[in-house]
Amino acid sequence: EAGVAQSPRYKIIEKRQSVAFWCNPISGHATLYWYQQILGQGPKLLIQFQNNGVVDDSQLPKDRFSAERLKGVDSTLKIQPAKLEDSAVYLCASSSRADRADYGYTFGSGTRLTVV
Amino acid sequence: QQQVKQSPQSLIVQKGGISIINCAYENTAFDYFPWYQQFPGKGPALLIAIRPDVSEKKEGRFTISFNKSAKQFSLHIMDSQPGDSATYFCAASRYNFNKFYFGSGTKLNVKP
Repeated sequence: EAGVAQSPRYKIIEKRQSVAFWCNPISGHATLYWYQQILGQGPKLLIQFQNNGVVDDSQLPKDRFSAERLKGVDSTLKIQPAKLEDSAVYLCASSSRADRADYGYTFGSGTRLTVV
Repeated sequence: QQQVKQSPQSLIVQKGGISIINCAYENTAFDYFPWYQQFPGKGPALLIAIRPDVSEKKEGRFTISFNKSAKQFSLHIMDSQPGDSATYFCAASRYNFNKFYFGSGTKLNVKP
């Protein structure tokens, strides 16, 4: 099966600019996650979707970050305006079950964002 | 707050040696503990996982040891190989919620 697709792979922007990341999960996976991985740290959950609804966005900085999953398939994560501390790899993951940890995640390769 | 604490930050092991990475958690509601392996430029991938009803789980050269009373678990890589060089993350979740909290990662370098 095809994996989780993310684009772009790399993005360099100036602070205060806006940026958007795209994710296409594994076909049929109802649960989608966005994680932020700052260099030298573990992935931190930003938002979890179940189909096109938000399950958990408690760690999403809502003053600058937004995410949507229209039609319950692809998802877009946006940052506006970007700050230097947003430099990180943004990982998208998907799963077929939100209620079973042993189903785990499949991660995409991520988008590396550099804010200068 | 950091839900899962991981050590060491980096580890150098000779080929054939044993690599040991440790994690500790605070939330006693967690009852599923996976380890993920990440190669440069790739997303993390599930390596092995354990539930607290057993104290040890082994898959090939990889073993998880779990100490419920101490709220600690560790990954042991036996006969470490250069191909094992990667960053390893421990994680924790409630079994009925597929939502993982990750440790800070350990960069393993296995020298030939």
